[in-house]
Amino acid sequence: DVKVTQSSRYLVKRTGEKVFLECVQDMDHENMFWYRQDPGLGLRLIYFSYDVKMKEKGDIPEGYSVSREKKERFSLILESASTNQTSMYLCASRTDSDLPGANVLTFGAGSRLTVL
Amino acid sequence: AQSVAQPEDQVNVAEGNPLTVKCTYSVSGNPYLFWYVQYPNRGLQFLLKYITGDNLVKGSYGFEAEFNKSQTSFHLKKPTALVSDSALYFCAVRDWNSGAGSYQLTFGKGTKLSVIP
Repeated sequence: DVKVTQSSRYLVKRTGEKVFLECVQDMDHENMFWYRQDPGLGLRLIYFSYDVKMKEKGDIPEGYSVSREKKERFSLILESASTNQTSMYLCASRTDSDLPGANVLTFGAGSRLTVL
Repeated sequence: AQSVAQPEDQVNVAEGNPLTVKCTYSVSGNPYLFWYVQYPNRGLQFLLKYITGDNLVKGSYGFEAEFNKSQTSFHLKKPTALVSDSALYFCAVRDWNSGAGSYQLTFGKGTKLSVIP
C-alpha cells in the first residue's frame, strides 16, 4: 500500500513564525498535493507538483510556498504564519500511470496547525 | 473551471435503511469522479471512482455510485446503512481534458452522514 507520511500531527506556532510541513510518500508517485481542510469549506488545493522541482498554484496559494527537491518529498512552507492559517493540512500523492491504483489520491493523516 | 456541489451538509438515516449522499459536478470536458470518506480523527480514504465504462460503480464497504451524465450527478448509495458508516463523505471531480488543470482534483464541501441505531 502507498504510504504518505506527514511529519507532524499537531503543531502550535506563533504569528509571524516560519512553519515547515513535511510530507513523504514511498511509492514513487510523480504527483503530490497540499490541501487545507476547514469545516464547511471542504478541501481546498494550495499547491501541487507533478515532478521534481515543478510546482503549480492551486486555488488558495497566497501565504504559502512549496518545495520539491526529491520525488518522494513535498514540503509546505508558511513564510510568516497568521491566525487565519490555523487549519488541518493534508498531503496527498497520486500516479497517473497505467498501474493499479492510478488516478487515486492517497492522503496522509494530516497536520493540525494552530497559529496563536 | 470545475466544481462540485454536495447539497446536504448532513444526512441522517436509520440503521438498516438505504442511504444516499448526493453530488453534482460541473466540468468543461469529461469527468473523473471520486468519493472519499473521512472517519473521525483520520485521513481521507478512497471509496470508489468513475473513469469510464459502466455507469454504476461499486466500491469499498458495500458502497456504490451511479454516474449520470445528463444530470451531471454522481450520488453515493448503500442498500443497508451501518452505524459504522457514520463519517464525513467527500465527492471530487477531475476534468481530464483541461490540460494543466487536469492535474487538479476539486472536492465538495462534504456531507456528514449519521447512521442512527
